[in-house]
Amino acid sequence: GENVEQHPSTLSVQEGDSAVIKCTYSDSASNYFPWYKQELGKGPQLIIDIRSNVGEKKDQRIAVTLNKTAKHFSLHITETQPEDSAVYFCAAHFNKFYFGSGTKLNVKP
Amino acid sequence: NAGVTQTPKFQVLKTGQSMTLQCAQDMNHNSMYWYRQDPGMGLRLIYYSASEGTTDKGEVPNGYNVSRLNKREFSLRLESAAPSQTSVYFCASSDWVNEQFFGPGTRLTVL
Repeated sequence: GENVEQHPSTLSVQEGDSAVIKCTYSDSASNYFPWYKQELGKGPQLIIDIRSNVGEKKDQRIAVTLNKTAKHFSLHITETQPEDSAVYFCAAHFNKFYFGSGTKLNVKP
Repeated sequence: NAGVTQTPKFQVLKTGQSMTLQCAQDMNHNSMYWYRQDPGMGLRLIYYSASEGTTDKGEVPNGYNVSRLNKREFSLRLESAAPSQTSVYFCASSDWVNEQFFGPGTRLTVL
């Protein structure tokens, strides 16, 4: 089956800086790559996603890039704000969803 | 729209007891999923149902059973709870290979 690895496990940045979280996947047949944000005590919520026929997607301060050859995809958050502090999960879909282990992002004011 | 609802929100069981976690969605989604979340391990798929009438095992199915009661409802049953099943359980739904919507979770403790 698919294996998704996510790095780093924790990330601390100063407000206004950029944050980058990286994921790799093992199965080249995976075709859909969502990113989720999970706040304390809540279920994960989708923040951005990308499909295998697209290399980059942007939504305001958030962007995702996909490199199919290297089988990795990354989440970029620019101009970070304290409310961006949460746990972020990447996932890959091949028949079902496979999740990374999560990155705890702390944005210091 | 309520989205994905789960009951109960919290539960404490003794080893060997049984219980059923309920999940319902009102978005007319075909696919539904049950995950467990343990510290540092992300979300692990227990069972999923790609469409009404079908269920399949995920990564960690041992000790669990599921029922896709109809298109809206997908329940998870623990027949004989063990301390290793202490976790937060999330139900999710999606329309085929698209965004998953998650419920608020059930926090289960097995003593």
